[in-house]
Amino acid sequence: NAGVTQTPKFRVLKTGQSMTLLCAQDMNHEYMYWYRQDPGMGLRLIHYSVGEGTTAKGEVPDGYNVSRLKKQNFLLGLESAAPSQTSVYFCASNGQGSYYGYTFGSGTRLTVV
Amino acid sequence: GDSVTQMEGPVTLSEEAFLTINCTYTATGYPSLFWYVQYPGEGLQLLLKATKADDKGSNKGFEATYRKETTSFHLEKGSVQVSDSAVYFCALGGRGTGNQFYFGTGTSLTVIP
Repeated sequence: NAGVTQTPKFRVLKTGQSMTLLCAQDMNHEYMYWYRQDPGMGLRLIHYSVGEGTTAKGEVPDGYNVSRLKKQNFLLGLESAAPSQTSVYFCASNGQGSYYGYTFGSGTRLTVV
Repeated sequence: GDSVTQMEGPVTLSEEAFLTINCTYTATGYPSLFWYVQYPGEGLQLLLKATKADDKGSNKGFEATYRKETTSFHLEKGSVQVSDSAVYFCALGGRGTGNQFYFGTGTSLTVIP
């Protein structure tokens, strides 16, 4: 029962570099989400997907892109990292409906210098 | 729009003290309500939930009652332990086409022996 797996767990980037965060779930969930967590601001939704091949913008999408080519994977890309993107990133997934809540990954701590 | 307002922390309690963390929400209709807990260095875990008015969610000694009339979902525990030290998030979920969740900003709890 792996649940939701995020890689990598830690990363340091220089301003302007690019990277991709990978989220994988093995629960056959339709919905997947990327959040960022910043002190005093809780969790803010970056992008989400309601199924394979679909993506949609959340509350703070600027500077990020996503793809969901396979149902089990949801990738978050930073094309040109900025210090404002220093944060902890969480992926989550959810089956149909809200009854069971989200299942979260353990997070990726990203520092942009 | 939908939102969650959560009691600000940090909260420091002595072991065996009574805990209340306030949470109120703004939403149309009857959203499902959740409490999540985040231990240091980990992702969020579902603590308890309630899906309709007057429901009481409970888990590990924690309780919260869905109060439609006051739009509240306060978290309580009668006797906290050191192991309860964590950040607690209130959330409302299952909204919109993306089945999105909205999280409060989190309340940090530290329990001292």
